[in-house]
Amino acid sequence: GQNIDQPTEMTATEGAIVQINCTYQTSGFNGLFWYQQHAGEAPTFLSYNVLDGLEEKGRFSSFLSRSKGYSYLLLKELQMKDSASYLCAVLDSNYQLIWGAGTKLIIKP
Amino acid sequence: GAVVSQHPSRVICKSGTSVKIECRSLDFQATTMFWYRQFPKQSLMLMATSNEGSKATYEQGVEKDKFLINHASLTLSTLTVTSAHPEDSSFYICSAKLPLAGEVDEQFFGPGTRLTVL
Repeated sequence: GQNIDQPTEMTATEGAIVQINCTYQTSGFNGLFWYQQHAGEAPTFLSYNVLDGLEEKGRFSSFLSRSKGYSYLLLKELQMKDSASYLCAVLDSNYQLIWGAGTKLIIKP
Repeated sequence: GAVVSQHPSRVICKSGTSVKIECRSLDFQATTMFWYRQFPKQSLMLMATSNEGSKATYEQGVEKDKFLINHASLTLSTLTVTSAHPEDSSFYICSAKLPLAGEVDEQFFGPGTRLTVL
């Protein structure tokens, strides 16, 4: 079966750095997405990785290792507004998105 | 970036009535749109893939006669929840696929529709 694992909840301090991990086992791989979702809202796109390595975009970076079936989202200089759920999703061989359950990130002052 | 809208944003209806939710891609044409359902504290669940001009493809366990999908144009897909019941209360989210030249398609999400069935 297809499976995506990410921690259920994480807590971090304002101004700090946090790394949210995602491991996946899917039928084929055509890329991995990270989305941010605030409560009661639809997800918004953060990043897309299809090749191994680190992609940096401002305060957010995303890393992919296809051989390990592993990705992480790195958030730097955390702000209170970063409190949200972060969803990892993999595009499988049929170009369907397989979603993780999301990681709820709580930022404390 | 590409914008996807949904209407209505919230709807409350009585049990047994039907509710139509619209999903529009505002500044691009989307041959493929997706309908998701999200339960509290759970991941998005794909309900169906909507292709313009053809029948939708439903995921296993989703009743196609209950959740009617129409993708009549390149910018509009509709989801009709027929004979809604309280257990259909949920957050329904649509997304539209934007073809990116030379890369995999990217999905843009609508803001979601919160359905409450009394």
